[in-house]
Amino acid sequence: GAGVSQTPSNKVTEKGKYVELRCDPISGHTALYWYRQSLGQGPEFLIYFQGTGAADDSGLPNDRFFAVRPEGSVSTLKIQRTERGDSAVYLCASSLEADINYEQYFGPGTRLTVT
Amino acid sequence: QKEVEQDPGPLSVPEGAIVSLNCTYSNSAFQYFMWYRQYSRKGPELLMYTYSSGNKEDGRFTAQVDKSSKYISLFIRDSQPSDSATYLCAIGKETSGSRLTFGEGTQLTVNP
Repeated sequence: GAGVSQTPSNKVTEKGKYVELRCDPISGHTALYWYRQSLGQGPEFLIYFQGTGAADDSGLPNDRFFAVRPEGSVSTLKIQRTERGDSAVYLCASSLEADINYEQYFGPGTRLTVT
Repeated sequence: QKEVEQDPGPLSVPEGAIVSLNCTYSNSAFQYFMWYRQYSRKGPELLMYTYSSGNKEDGRFTAQVDKSSKYISLFIRDSQPSDSATYLCAIGKETSGSRLTFGEGTQLTVNP
């Protein structure tokens, strides 16, 4: 079956602009996670959803970052007033159900470059 | 101190070698352990998932967990050039809603 998909694969934006990154999880997976990976580092947790609600957003670096999952499937990560330090690969993962099924399956990521 | 420590390498081995990749962690509350493989410019791919201390084998891969020492390992037997990638350990705890904490990854090159 189809895996996790993310769009766009690459995004270049100017400092101060707004961006949206989209994640489409594996069908039937109720838990969805966002991570950020800087060059040479492992992924760092940002936020996760169980269903439509954000169950843990403690990894979001500041209030410029926001994520939604209005229908419990597709999620959008939104970044306002982008800064050069936001440049990274943004990874989305999904699992069957948080706190029960721990295996997370990742998408290919969106490479964000802020100039 | 980082919650998960992983030697970033790089590690270079000849084809057919046995590879040992390792991570240590600091918090005994961590309960489940995963290894991911990440090819350049791709997303992480789940290789192994273990929950208890001991060994788990899958083909050429063996994951080993020692909770008393807070030490996890991944062994790759008969390594192949196609194994060349970055290997990430990831750990989690039931109270954290399945969020994973990753090591920084070990870059492995298997030379033909």
